[in-house]
Amino acid sequence: DQQVKQNSPSLSVQEGRISILNCDYTNSMFDYFLWYKKYPAEGPTFLISISSIKDKNEDGRFTVFLNKSAKHLSLHIVPSQPGDSAVYFCAASGETSGSRLTFGEGTQLTVNP
Amino acid sequence: NAGVMQNPRHLVRRRGQEARLRCSPVKGHSHVYWYRQLPEEGLKFMVYLQKENIIDESGMPKERFSAEFPKEGPSILRIQQVVRGDSAAYFCASSPRLEDYGYTFGSGTRLTVV
Repeated sequence: DQQVKQNSPSLSVQEGRISILNCDYTNSMFDYFLWYKKYPAEGPTFLISISSIKDKNEDGRFTVFLNKSAKHLSLHIVPSQPGDSAVYFCAASGETSGSRLTFGEGTQLTVNP
Repeated sequence: NAGVMQNPRHLVRRRGQEARLRCSPVKGHSHVYWYRQLPEEGLKFMVYLQKENIIDESGMPKERFSAEFPKEGPSILRIQQVVRGDSAAYFCASSPRLEDYGYTFGSGTRLTVV
């Protein structure tokens, strides 16, 4: 039962353009969402998060949007840079899941110079 | 200030052997989490520990797997009688507070069972 899904295994964009990574969830008890970035042979690095009481959170070039009715969130990166090329994981947590995170399968972002 | 340290980075075991994975959390962090990433999949929660206590082991297989976080020393994830299906990347993470979801991950241990 995949409760957090990232339907696009890969995404390729040009440097300077916007990257939009999508994530869907099925568990209505999730109330906190995070994005992690992962380079090969390294552990995931926390990027940005959003609570279910908000619909948008921005941090520099990174913005996360949450649509609770659609159970959908997205990560926008603008402008995209070659150093942003990595695997991006969406994760979710909720009151019933305690402190554990449920991760999506990841999306490989490639930013071409 | 060192981050989460995991060792070894790579571990090769023959079927039936034991694998011991070590994790030293960020200094001052008392919450440790273990996740497993199978090839082409996302990270799956295994276990959450505080010093000397297992808080949530709902993601850990009931047999052959065990975890500890002693008062002194690193957290240990132990896999007995490894099988090929145990081959994966095992990531440890730590946080200072229960509600700190943006916890810090280590670089992982890549276990290969031959």
